[in-house]
Amino acid sequence: GESVGLHLPTLSVQEGDNSIINCAYSNSASDYFIWYKQESGKGPQFIIDIRSNMDKRQGQRVTVLLNKTVKHLSLQIAATQPGDSAVYFCAENSGANSKLTFGKGITLSVRP
Amino acid sequence: GAVVSQHPSRVICKSGTSVKIECRSLDFQATTMFWYRQFPKQSLMLMATSNEGSKATYEQGVEKDKFLINHASLTLSTLTVTSAHPEDSSFYICSATTSGVFHTQYFGPGTRLTVL
Repeated sequence: GESVGLHLPTLSVQEGDNSIINCAYSNSASDYFIWYKQESGKGPQFIIDIRSNMDKRQGQRVTVLLNKTVKHLSLQIAATQPGDSAVYFCAENSGANSKLTFGKGITLSVRP
Repeated sequence: GAVVSQHPSRVICKSGTSVKIECRSLDFQATTMFWYRQFPKQSLMLMATSNEGSKATYEQGVEKDKFLINHASLTLSTLTVTSAHPEDSSFYICSATTSGVFHTQYFGPGTRLTVL
């Protein structure tokens, strides 16, 4: 069936560097995508979203890029900080209801 | 805005007892709430979708008599784990969404259930 997956299970970056987290999705009907951050023992926290009629959206220190041609989504974090260490999930919505399909998650580890 | 709370944050119970978890949207009306289960180092697994005033829609493989969901108002949904057993121990997370074309889900902080 359709699925959302991530290329890498873990990512280690140096504090101050930029981070890029990638996500592949397989449902071409998906029209809305969200990135969530989950810290240990907490619920997922909304970071940024993007609609399928856009290819880029920027927030504070974060940018989401959407490439519908290859069904690829990425999250860029500028000047990565220790507080960015967490598990990041991409999620897609492809139906008339509100259900989201989540990727497997990638752990971002920031080295001091 | 878009704050979702859960209560309790942590619960330990004996096998065979029932546990109720509350999910509240604090500053918005949630047309739909979702209940997820998450095992360590895994992604979120959707258990059911709950709409205010109607019966919950359960995902395949989720026992509706085991996990009772009530969505009595636009700001409150409850999940009751009935006759809990050790294998029900998990991290349970709710989310809430508003009406609209694009449905952003806002998550609660989660409830850690441990069944002895």
